[in-house]
Amino acid sequence: QKEVEQNSGPLSVPEGAIASLNCTYSDRGSQSFFWYRQYSGKSPELIMFIYSNGDKEDGRFTAQLNKASQYVSLLIRDSQPSDSATYLCAVNYGATNKLIFGTGTLLAVQP
Amino acid sequence: DAGVIQSPRHEVTEMGQEVTLRCKPISGHDYLFWYRQTMMRGLELLIYFNNNVPIDDSGMPEDRFSAKMPNASFSTLKIQPSEPRDSAVYFCASGPQGLNEQFFGPGTRLTVL
Repeated sequence: QKEVEQNSGPLSVPEGAIASLNCTYSDRGSQSFFWYRQYSGKSPELIMFIYSNGDKEDGRFTAQLNKASQYVSLLIRDSQPSDSATYLCAVNYGATNKLIFGTGTLLAVQP
Repeated sequence: DAGVIQSPRHEVTEMGQEVTLRCKPISGHDYLFWYRQTMMRGLELLIYFNNNVPIDDSGMPEDRFSAKMPNASFSTLKIQPSEPRDSAVYFCASGPQGLNEQFFGPGTRLTVL
């Protein structure tokens, strides 16, 4: 079983719609959860982190965490073609600073 | 503020040669991470340092790989001898003490012929 799982996609949404990206993790000891965006040929860029159950909003982005279900998601409102990228979910490993990355979901926003 | 700096950005070498990748973390960050990214395996952590000390090298694939951090502003990842299967993008990332955020450098694209 993979430690951090994501649907590889592609997830295709029309411009202006809400994109919903999902991630599950296996380590119940994980405390920190991150979403990175990676454009083709570029490095991962941190866009959101969440530590507590519930929702955390930052502009058009909302991260949602449910530790009981071991589930974290990222919502992108009013999706733009510039949001087209691979979104990587990352979870810290136990009580360490080590991050385990999912394989990423490719998002394609259609103009 | 300067982000994480990596050099070279591209490296093409022949099998059997030694390869050295370099990284300068963000000033003040106590953690430094080396990752490898391939299409098949995604982003894999190779090794990470805290205050220049290696903490976890369980991701280093073989003895051909070694990493050092002689001071707080410089780290190297060395592959000797290199093999075609080492071809990948190698990222360095750094992070502050007490938090788990990591900030990535631009990466080094390594091609071993």
